[in-house]
Amino acid sequence: AQSVTQLDSQVPVFEEAPVELRCNYSSSVSVYLFWYVQYPNQGLQLLLKYLSGSTLVKGINGFEAEFNKSQTSFHLRKPSVHISDTAEYFCAVAQGPNAGGTSYGKLTFGQGTILTVHP
Amino acid sequence: DSGVTQTPKHLITATGQRVTLRCSPRSGDLSVYWYQQSLDQGLQFLIQYYNGEERAKGNILERFSAQQFPDLHSELNLSSLELGDSALYFCASSGRQGGDEQYFGPGTRLTVT
Repeated sequence: AQSVTQLDSQVPVFEEAPVELRCNYSSSVSVYLFWYVQYPNQGLQLLLKYLSGSTLVKGINGFEAEFNKSQTSFHLRKPSVHISDTAEYFCAVAQGPNAGGTSYGKLTFGQGTILTVHP
Repeated sequence: DSGVTQTPKHLITATGQRVTLRCSPRSGDLSVYWYQQSLDQGLQFLIQYYNGEERAKGNILERFSAQQFPDLHSELNLSSLELGDSALYFCASSGRQGGDEQYFGPGTRLTVT
C-alpha cells in the first residue's frame, strides 16, 4: 500500500516569490507520481507527472517537480508565483508496474496544500 | 475542460434515499475511476472500471455500487444515504488500466439532509 504526506497544509507567499510545496510518499514498490491543482469549485487539473526517465519533471504554468527516490520525495516548485496560482495542490501516487508489467491506476492522494499568493 | 462530464452538478437529497451519479469519460478512454472528496477524509479512491470490468476497489461502502456500460459511461449508485455521505464525487478517466494520467470531471456535489 502507498501513502502520501504533504508536509504543509497552508503556504502563504507573496507574488513573484519562489515557492516549494513538499510531498513525501511511502511505498514498497515502484511508483508513479503526480501533482494536481484544484481551483475553488472546480475539478482537479493535472500539473505534472513522473512515470519514468528524467527525475526533473516540468509541467504546466511554470511548475516543476523533482523525483528523489532515496528521500521518497516529489516536491513541487515554481520560481515566481502569480496571484492566479492561488489554489489547493494535491500530490498523488500510483503503484508502478509489477513483475508482469501490469500497472495500477488507483491514485492515493495527500491531504492537500493550500497555496495563497498575496499581492 | 478535461473532456470528462459528470451529471448532475449538484444533488440534494434526504437520508435513506438512493441516488445515481453519471460520468462520461474522455473520448477513447477505457478506464473510469470514482473518487470521493470530503473535509474529514480528503480525496479517496472508490472504484475503477476498465472497458466494462471492475479493475480495482478502494474504500467503497457496501451501500455504494458502480458499473461501466458498453458505451463506456459509468454510473455510481449510492443507497441508504447517510449524512456522512455528503461530499464531492469525482469521476476521472484514462486511456489505460494504469500508468497514465487521469483526467478529472468537474464533480457532483452531494448534500444529504
